[in-house]
Amino acid sequence: DIQMTQSPPSLSASVGDTVTITCRASQSIPNYVTWYQQKPGRAPKVLIYAASTLSRGVPSRFTGSGSGTDFTLTIRGLQPEDFATYYCQQTYSTPRSTFGGGTKVEIK
Amino acid sequence: EGQLVETGGGLLQPGGSLRLSCAVSGFTVGTNYMAWVRQSPMKGLEWVSIITGDGTTHYTDSVKGRFTISRDNAKNTVSLQMNSLRAEDTAVYFCARGGDTMGHYFDYWGQGTLVTVSS
Repeated sequence: DIQMTQSPPSLSASVGDTVTITCRASQSIPNYVTWYQQKPGRAPKVLIYAASTLSRGVPSRFTGSGSGTDFTLTIRGLQPEDFATYYCQQTYSTPRSTFGGGTKVEIK
Repeated sequence: EGQLVETGGGLLQPGGSLRLSCAVSGFTVGTNYMAWVRQSPMKGLEWVSIITGDGTTHYTDSVKGRFTISRDNAKNTVSLQMNSLRAEDTAVYFCARGGDTMGHYFDYWGQGTLVTVSS
């Protein structure tokens, strides 16, 4: 299976900050990466798919980039509602997709 | 807008069986890529099983031969029959819809149902 290594596992940030989360795939996966946001007790919510396509209704402060093995989720101007855990998912080998371990974004 | 509601979770002993159900509204399960994804503290998020629009099914290796995914087009539901349950199957189970025909992302999710396998 393709492994997705996500970093950092957690980070502390303030409202208004820019944060960057990265995922590295164990092999090239062109642009088959999806990013999700998950809040406690809730299901994941899709933010970005195909590495850089913003899902409907997601604010433009979320951007995704990357191709091949290295991918990035950037949140510019962090808002209070953005404190959550973020996951990447590779879907190059769908249905055998795999998720990263998550990044918890906490309030500094 | 799609809504998914899972039911059927619970506490049971190793070796037991359980059937999860996902009731869908807002779209038809028969023409969509539907998945079961589970989440546990030990393994994180993990896809379990999928059923495509044409009825093709797939299972992650650890559940092959034990779990069966199915759908009822008349009731617009997707189900996951889980047999020979193990402690490592303990997780919150989510039903989700593929955002495209190949399941390259999941755009609608249920709230999840907790399955606990323990003696």
